[in-house]
Amino acid sequence: GNSVTQMEGPVTLSEEAFLTINCTYTATGYPSLFWYVQYPGEGLQLLLKATKADDKGSNKGFEATYRKETTSFHLEKGSVQVSDSAVYFCALSQMNRDDKIIFGKGTRLHILP
Amino acid sequence: DAGVIQSPRHEVTEMGQEVTLRCKPISGHDYLFWYRQTMMRGLELLIYFNNNVPIDDSGMPEDRFSAKMPNASFSTLKIQPSEPRDSAVYFCASSLSGTGHYEQYFGPGTRLTVT
Repeated sequence: GNSVTQMEGPVTLSEEAFLTINCTYTATGYPSLFWYVQYPGEGLQLLLKATKADDKGSNKGFEATYRKETTSFHLEKGSVQVSDSAVYFCALSQMNRDDKIIFGKGTRLHILP
Repeated sequence: DAGVIQSPRHEVTEMGQEVTLRCKPISGHDYLFWYRQTMMRGLELLIYFNNNVPIDDSGMPEDRFSAKMPNASFSTLKIQPSEPRDSAVYFCASSLSGTGHYEQYFGPGTRLTVT
C-alpha cells in the first residue's frame, strides 16, 4: 500500500541555517505530494504541493521537488527563522485510487535565535 | 472565506460522560475527515465521509466512538462513554474532489481532556 516515510525529529537549527527534511514515499502510479505545517496550538496547513514528476512546489521560502526516480519529496529552505518552528508533515494522495491523504509521522523543527 | 470550523475548542469532562465534537466544513467541499492527534500515536484518521456518506470508519477505535454527517455543512463525532485514554486533539478536515488532488483543509482542532 501507499506510505510516506520522513526523517524523525526533533531537528534543531540556528536561525539562518539551511534546512532539509527528508521524505520518501511508496506508491503505485503517480501520486500528488504535499508538505503540511502545524504551528503550536493550530491545525495542519498546506505549505506546498506538487502534482507530477519534476514539479517544484514552493511557498514562504520553502521548496520541494517531486523526484520520481528516487521517490522523494525533500523539503528545503535556505535560511530558517525562529517563526518556522513547527511540525512538518509529508503526505501523498492518489487520484482515482483512494480518497484519503497518507501522512508521514511528522518532523518537529526547533529554530534557535 | 471561512475555513473549517470546530467547536468547542477545548473540552474537559469526567470519565464516563458523553462528549460531542462538532465540525462545519468549508462550503462546497464534498469530503469530510475526522482525525485524532496524540503525542504517542501521532495523527490518526478515524473516519471520513463523501457527500455525507461514511466511506471508511476503520480507524474508529471502539464502539464508543460514532460519527454522523446529517447534511453537507455539519458533522459530529461522539464519544460515549468517554475514557481518559480518549484525551487528544481532534481535528476535522474537508476537501473538494473536483481538484483531483484531495488536498485537505484542517480546522483548529478540539482539545479533549478526560479526567
